[in-house]
Amino acid sequence: KQEVTQIPAALSVPEGENLVLNCSFTDSAIYNLQWFRQDPGKGLTSLLLIQSSQREQTSGRLNASLDKSSGRSTLYIAASQPGDSATYLCAVRQGKTSYDKVIFGPGTSLSVIP
Amino acid sequence: DAGVIQSPRHEVTEMGQEVTLRCKPISGHDYLFWYRQTMMRGLELLIYFNNNVPIDDSGMPEDRFSAKMPNASFSTLKIQPSEPRDSAVYFCACRGGRETQYFGPGTRLLVL
Repeated sequence: KQEVTQIPAALSVPEGENLVLNCSFTDSAIYNLQWFRQDPGKGLTSLLLIQSSQREQTSGRLNASLDKSSGRSTLYIAASQPGDSATYLCAVRQGKTSYDKVIFGPGTSLSVIP
Repeated sequence: DAGVIQSPRHEVTEMGQEVTLRCKPISGHDYLFWYRQTMMRGLELLIYFNNNVPIDDSGMPEDRFSAKMPNASFSTLKIQPSEPRDSAVYFCACRGGRETQYFGPGTRLLVL
């Protein structure tokens, strides 16, 4: 059974710092991995999606990497801003059939201090 | 596009009452998911539909929970009877041709 964990559970950094969020999964046979952002009281917003054949994806100040063999992904945020404060969740999709579910990690709560 | 619409946004009810949560997915998205989020258990998939047909309801906690999707633009999640441990935020999400799921704003349920 696939299990997804995220470390740390919470992180507080001063504005301007670069930071890394970690995601681990137990079954490396994944189809893709996504990083989501959740603001307090809101739904989830997709940030980046990495297919199993890819090593990384970039969007603006965000860079997500995937090492399938070791069961790890990282989300790198450059030059953090107070507006980046949110909870970040990673999610893995196990297979490529239409019926495969997405398993979410517990999230990392990020606070960027002005 | 207004995105995924959920109603109500907040619901407070007493134990034993019936609760109905509603979702309108993005037009053209043929997958619809119901999730529950709590501090203790995180985000859990309850059930999902493809083309209005329930595909996997293994996440539904017990028979008190039921979900329907009578057409492509509407789905309900019903809890009857409700219990305090059902208190959580319930999200509806949908997916179209791309991989990304689009989430609604959620319904915050409190059962007293």
